Amino acid sequence: NAGVTQTPKFQVLKTGQSMTLQCAQDMNHEYMSWYRQDPGMGLRLIHYSVGAGITDQGEVPNGYNVSRSTTEDFPLRLLSAAPSQTSVYFCASRAADTQYFGPGTRLTVL
Amino acid sequence: GENVEQHPSTLSVQEGDSAVIKCTYSDSASNYFPWYKQELGKGPQLIIDIRSNVGEKKDQRIAVTLNKTAKHFSLHITETQPEDSAVYFCAARTQGGSEKLVFGKGTKLTVNP
Repeated sequence: NAGVTQTPKFQVLKTGQSMTLQCAQDMNHEYMSWYRQDPGMGLRLIHYSVGAGITDQGEVPNGYNVSRSTTEDFPLRLLSAAPSQTSVYFCASRAADTQYFGPGTRLTVL
Repeated sequence: GENVEQHPSTLSVQEGDSAVIKCTYSDSASNYFPWYKQELGKGPQLIIDIRSNVGEKKDQRIAVTLNKTAKHFSLHITETQPEDSAVYFCAARTQGGSEKLVFGKGTKLTVNP
């Protein structure tokens, strides 16, 4: 079991560029989510999905898109990167109560 | 919506001492309260959790207590060791609907040898 995997580990973008952060899990979990972590702000929910084909917004969804075509994958798309999106992004999946986090993607937008 | 406050933001203790981190929540419908440990450069990892029908739960040196009336819960670490140094997050989740986890802002614990 690889658990929750995220790619890339690091990424630098220029303002206005788009990119996709990849997230995959091999535990057959229905619930997946994306968080961003900023200094002193804790973890804030961006988008989440309760199963394939179903997504919903979290606390800070603006500037991000998600889709869930399979149970395993939950990519996060930045449509037009802004410096305010500089952050560490964590993907997570959940079975019952326990939520498992990926190792994170550190994104810098110049 | 739910709001979770966590204190202190930083905590420094001597090896062998106890450490206590406190959180308060706003939504009385929240019924699940996990604690996560995050080491440098890694994702958060669940270390202990408690449901609203239980007042206290213990796992070796770690314990969590819950006061539903006051809407606060605490993490207790006894006999701290340098490897306990990390950032700790509390969270709260409401049953039903989206069941979203709302996190506190974290406590950086440093255990000095």
